[in-house]
Amino acid sequence: DAKTTQPPSMDCAEGRAANLPCNHSTISGNEYVYWYRQIHSQGPQYIIHGLKNNETNEMASLIITEDRKSSTLILPHATLRDTAVYYCIVRLYSLGISGGSNYKLTFGKGTLLTVNP
Amino acid sequence: DTGVSQDPRHKITKRGQNVTFRCDPISEHNRLYWYRQTLGQGPEFLTYFQNEAQLEKSRLLSDRFSAERPKGSFSTLEIQRTEQGDSAMYLCASSSAGTGGGETQYFGPGTRLLVL
Repeated sequence: DAKTTQPPSMDCAEGRAANLPCNHSTISGNEYVYWYRQIHSQGPQYIIHGLKNNETNEMASLIITEDRKSSTLILPHATLRDTAVYYCIVRLYSLGISGGSNYKLTFGKGTLLTVNP
Repeated sequence: DTGVSQDPRHKITKRGQNVTFRCDPISEHNRLYWYRQTLGQGPEFLTYFQNEAQLEKSRLLSDRFSAERPKGSFSTLEIQRTEQGDSAMYLCASSSAGTGGGETQYFGPGTRLLVL
């Protein structure tokens, strides 16, 4: 799996947009970008994923650059409950029932986002 | 709640004892993963099942660790002769293969193990 680089920490004011960057310059054409977050002492929570197009869901937006070497997770209106470690992960696209640990998630240390009142 | 569940949520044991953790995946998810997370680090892959078959084991999974998924539904992770270095959060995740568009793993709340 391609390696990702994230800033270790970021701050954001409550109600403002939080923009979390991720660099994945060695990503290959069949790798997706996934974002998870982990609130203290809980299991990781899936946020969003994408291949090359921008994606949006009820939690966040994912902006992937045209060359796919970096991406940004956007939380449009951050709340105190969004304080968490955010992990950017690249992983192989799953083509079917075959395969194995190619589909494991390789976590780095992530970005600790602190939302301040 | 139909998410991934894990039991127990917390376990304190003495060094040398055996412990067993259980994971119940999301119904009909045929893939199940175990991860381990130590303080300040991201989760690390331990092992993976597709249905009842264990298809991959990490080098982190020493001979004292064994995982099963006998009927392709719930899974157990057993640690024999626990050591203080086994203290960690043990996370289970499940997913459905062949969904296209990128498979998504959903995690349980984890079991926090403390070995004294």
